[in-house]
Amino acid sequence: AQSVTQPDIHITVSEGASLELRCNYSYGATPYLFWYVQSPGQGLQLLLKYFSGDTLVQGIKGFEAEFKRSQSSFNLRKPSVHWSDAAEYFCAVAHSGAGSYQLTFGKGTKLSVIP
Amino acid sequence: DTEVTQTPKHLVMGMTNKKSLKCEQHMGHRAMYWYKQKAKKPPELMFVYSYEKLSINESVPSRFSPECPNSSLLNLHLHALQPEDSALYLCASSQDSNGNTIYFGEGSWLTVV
Repeated sequence: AQSVTQPDIHITVSEGASLELRCNYSYGATPYLFWYVQSPGQGLQLLLKYFSGDTLVQGIKGFEAEFKRSQSSFNLRKPSVHWSDAAEYFCAVAHSGAGSYQLTFGKGTKLSVIP
Repeated sequence: DTEVTQTPKHLVMGMTNKKSLKCEQHMGHRAMYWYKQKAKKPPELMFVYSYEKLSINESVPSRFSPECPNSSLLNLHLHALQPEDSALYLCASSQDSNGNTIYFGEGSWLTVV
């Protein structure tokens, strides 16, 4: 069965520092991978996605992620964090089954930013 | 435009009330979803509609009743809810059920008293 692991529950970084959020997935076929961000009290905003092709994908707000099949990972990075990046980040894998298509989420990583 | 609109943003209801959550998208998407999210947890899938037909019901209690009147609209009818049903309810949509990006709305905060 498909699963997503985000090993870090909470990460704190200083504003201007670099950031890497880890995501590992378990999926039998070629995965469709996503990172979503959720600010407090808000819905989920898509940051970026990987379907195929170039393994380094660029997203919104200066984020990027690298797909590494050999490590079953899809880590999210940002070179310089801004205070407004403080939020909850969810990694997800999309999969088809039972005639439909859905997402399986990791448990999320909460990012705190120190001014 | 990748917008999924949900109303109301906040809803407080008693355990004997009947209410509905509404979701709308005008992106021509043919798959729509309801997710439930409790505090500090990831979203959990409730229902999937594909081409206006219910294709997944994740063993959701019958006090939650989804409806897809047309390809742009998705409703969630609520009746006889329990306080533990208080959560953020997220609607989402994707082009179809065949490997596309799923876009989420801002959610409806439900409090059951």
